Amino acid sequence: NAGVMQNPRHLVRRRGQEARLRCSPMKGHSHVYWYRQLPEEGLKFMVYLQKENIIDESGMPKERFSAEFPKEGPSILRIQQVVRGDSAAYFCASSLNSKETQYFGPGTRLLVL
Amino acid sequence: KNEVEQSPQNLTAQEGEFITINCSYSVGISALHWLQQHPGGGIVSLFMLSSGKKKHGRLIATINIQEKHSSLHITASHPRDSAVYICAVRGSQGNLIFGKGTKLSVKP
Repeated sequence: NAGVMQNPRHLVRRRGQEARLRCSPMKGHSHVYWYRQLPEEGLKFMVYLQKENIIDESGMPKERFSAEFPKEGPSILRIQQVVRGDSAAYFCASSLNSKETQYFGPGTRLLVL
Repeated sequence: KNEVEQSPQNLTAQEGEFITINCSYSVGISALHWLQQHPGGGIVSLFMLSSGKKKHGRLIATINIQEKHSSLHITASHPRDSAVYICAVRGSQGNLIFGKGTKLSVKP
């Protein structure tokens, strides 16, 4: 049973470009969480999704960021018109339900030039 | 004041020492997690607990709900235990609120 998969592992973008980060949860998990870790800072919650639904997006910046978790396929975190301040490690975690342990993916390191 | 406070921020120990990392929180929680983040950046979930004590190998985690406090203990520490240990509490919606982490370095 593969763990949580994220791709790409590293992503370099120039300012103004779009970044798409993918997360495939563990088999059987329908709950996905996205977290961001800025350089030298702790992890911060961004968004919580359950298949086709956004449950909580209170941690998402209001502009340029969006997330989805379609019925088929991975969860996508999309950042439009990236800026240097978006450079960070983005982690995805999945769980069976909101009460069970969250398992983390390896993260995507985004660098905006 | 952060909702989740960890101490110490940095910890250096000699191989074999008993290590304790503390976590205090100020919000209502449904569970508390201890996570380990290695220098490569990957995050591993060590424990999830909502009461009492859990043990896995040389790691022990305890929680006191009344005092809003948890501790992570490592017995017979080893250089491979060197990592950042992160306390995280789970809110009512299921998302995690993280402490800033404790950077542990175990010297041979």
